[in-house]
Amino acid sequence: ETGVTQSPTHLIKTRGQQVTLRCSSQSGHNTVSWYQQALGQGPQFIFQYYREEENGRGNFPPRFSGLQFPNYSSELNVNALELDDSALYLCASSLAGSGGQETQYFGPGTRLLVL
Amino acid sequence: KQEVTQIPAALSVPEGENLVLNCSFTDSAIYNLQWFRQDPGKGLTSLLLIQSSQREQTSGRLNASLDKSSGRSTLYIAASQPGDSATYLCAAPNTGNQFYFGTGTSLTVIP
Repeated sequence: ETGVTQSPTHLIKTRGQQVTLRCSSQSGHNTVSWYQQALGQGPQFIFQYYREEENGRGNFPPRFSGLQFPNYSSELNVNALELDDSALYLCASSLAGSGGQETQYFGPGTRLLVL
Repeated sequence: KQEVTQIPAALSVPEGENLVLNCSFTDSAIYNLQWFRQDPGKGLTSLLLIQSSQREQTSGRLNASLDKSSGRSTLYIAASQPGDSATYLCAAPNTGNQFYFGTGTSLTVIP
C-alpha cells in the first residue's frame, strides 16, 4: 500500500505567475482534498474531489482550481499568484462511502513561496 | 461553519510529565474528530480518530476523548518524551468529510 505523495516538494514563483501542484492518492482511495496552511496556522480547506467531480469548496477565489483524474490523482492550479499564496499546500486522500467516518491521509505537502 | 479552537497555543513541559491538549468545536453534528501531529515543515500524521459514537480512543501513550454535547475533545499524552515535541492539530469534518482545523498546540518536551 503506497502513501500519499505530492510534487514538487518546494517551489518558488513570482507574483502573477501560474502554478500546478500534483498529488497521488493512497492506493484504493477515491477522494482527494486540498488544504492551504499558512505559517503558524492550521490547514484551511480549499476543495475536495470525489470521482473526478468537485465535491465541496472552501472560501477560496476561482483562481484556485483543480482536477481529479481517472486514477484518482489530482492537481491544484493557482492562477495570478499573490504574495499571500505563499504557504504549505497539503493534499489528503480518503475512501468515501463510509458515512463520513473515514480517516484522511495526508501527503508531505508542497511549500510554495511567491516573491 | 465549523470553528475549531485549540488551547493552549504553546506548551513546554519537562520529560516524563503527563499533559492534556484541548480542542473545542462549535458544531456538534460531527461524524468524527481526528487528532494529527505535524513536525516542522512536514505534512500531517494521523494520531487518533474518534467516531461520534465513541467517547474515547487510545493508542499507546495517547488517549483522546470526545464530548459532542459540550463541543470538546482532549488529547492526553502520558509520560511525555522529547520525541513528542511537535504541533498537535485537531480537526472536525463537516458532512462531506471536509476538515476544519484548529491552529494547533506547539508542544516542547524538555529532556
